[in-house]
Amino acid sequence: GEDVEQSLFLSVREGDSSVINCTYTDSSSTYLYWYKQEPGAGLQLLTYIFSNMDMKQDQRLTVLLNKKDKHLSLRIADTQTGDSAIYFCAEKGDSGAGSYQLTFGKGTKLSVIP
Amino acid sequence: SAVISQKPSRDICQRGTSLTIQCQVDSQVTMMFWYRQQPGQSLTLIATANQGSEATYESGFVIDKFPISRPNLTFSTLTVSNMSPEDSSIYLCSVQGSGPEAFFGQGTRLTVV
Repeated sequence: GEDVEQSLFLSVREGDSSVINCTYTDSSSTYLYWYKQEPGAGLQLLTYIFSNMDMKQDQRLTVLLNKKDKHLSLRIADTQTGDSAIYFCAEKGDSGAGSYQLTFGKGTKLSVIP
Repeated sequence: SAVISQKPSRDICQRGTSLTIQCQVDSQVTMMFWYRQQPGQSLTLIATANQGSEATYESGFVIDKFPISRPNLTFSTLTVSNMSPEDSSIYLCSVQGSGPEAFFGQGTRLTVV
């Protein structure tokens, strides 16, 4: 089946930029997503990018997509302690009946050091 | 964005019993899904809840264990039947409309003792 890989942990100092990386295997991915999960909470959709785009910026968040290498990254500028959470990368394929299904990575736990 | 209300938010259940989780959306949505997130793990799709017909289950999940209802375009239930400690997980409802966004409920934290 399709696979999404992320590093498990990232630690940054408050005020620095955070970069969370993700790789995926599905060459027919249509959309790629970043979700944030705070302790005890559900998943919050942060942003998503269409597969024919290479960059999307939304306030402190910048998503970069390298479709050739199947590599997605999420950059958080001026990281704050409130950004401490688990970040999930997910992709939506284009496989007919299964085209609505999202495949998730294992999540990257971001720790922000004050 | 869709507002999703999932109930209960958490529960502690005895093994051998069943728990029904409800998912209510504030607008009609095309697709509703149920996911499981085991402790420290990623999300695994259990099934797609189809309005007016039987749910579509993923490999490893069966209707007898996880019966699902979807009577209309804004509501679905997932039942975890004959529970064992291995069923202790977070269960999440997800919805997608006509656009690419996929939204999630707050999850139900289930502990089976």
